[in-house]
Amino acid sequence: DSGVTQTPKHLITATGQRVTLRCSPRSGDLSVYWYQQSLDQGLQFLIQYYNGEERAKGNILERFSAQQFPDLHSELNLSSLELGDSALYFCASSVTGYNEQFFGPGTRLTVL
Amino acid sequence: ILNVEQSPQSLHVQEGDSTNFTCSFPSSNFYALHWYRWETAKSPEALFVMTLNGDEKKKGRISATLNTKEGYSYLYIKGSQPEDSATYLCAFEGRDDKIIFGKGTRLHILP
Repeated sequence: DSGVTQTPKHLITATGQRVTLRCSPRSGDLSVYWYQQSLDQGLQFLIQYYNGEERAKGNILERFSAQQFPDLHSELNLSSLELGDSALYFCASSVTGYNEQFFGPGTRLTVL
Repeated sequence: ILNVEQSPQSLHVQEGDSTNFTCSFPSSNFYALHWYRWETAKSPEALFVMTLNGDEKKKGRISATLNTKEGYSYLYIKGSQPEDSATYLCAFEGRDDKIIFGKGTRLHILP
């Protein structure tokens, strides 16, 4: 158990809908990262937050947004969902950037 | 476009043998190189974070080296055991904080 929690574990929804994925980092970790893993791609970095502020953006679509709250938990919002958004979404946390990252168990999103 | 390449894609190794594989990454804008071990149906688990050219890190039977000038890192496993079967991922972290993963080396240990 890495100490990073993600909810929900599974999510099934329809095209055009909006969902929110939640991540609670390990106690004491200030950085949160979001990743997407789809069948045809490897792990893709989406976005990083550090102590509530956005720090780096990767291949995150405009339909996706994220935030980190004062208690350091983070949410990833996915809107206008398409079939291709079906993937495993991981959250990871680290003490600061450039440190060992601890991954949560992931949220599997299925868009029908 | 920055690319991180891992080779080989897949590897079968006899139990007890040692093995190694490669991660190639851009030599510019480098800040850190991460290695992860990823077992099926689990989450990636951090092995090493390496930042300095010439760095060598070790954790039990697994070790890694880093050459930032030529843009490569090797991961070594000594005396492979069945529990070493997993996908080994490397990830390049740039000075801009962006992270790029390789597609991984899938290691199978044969009993």
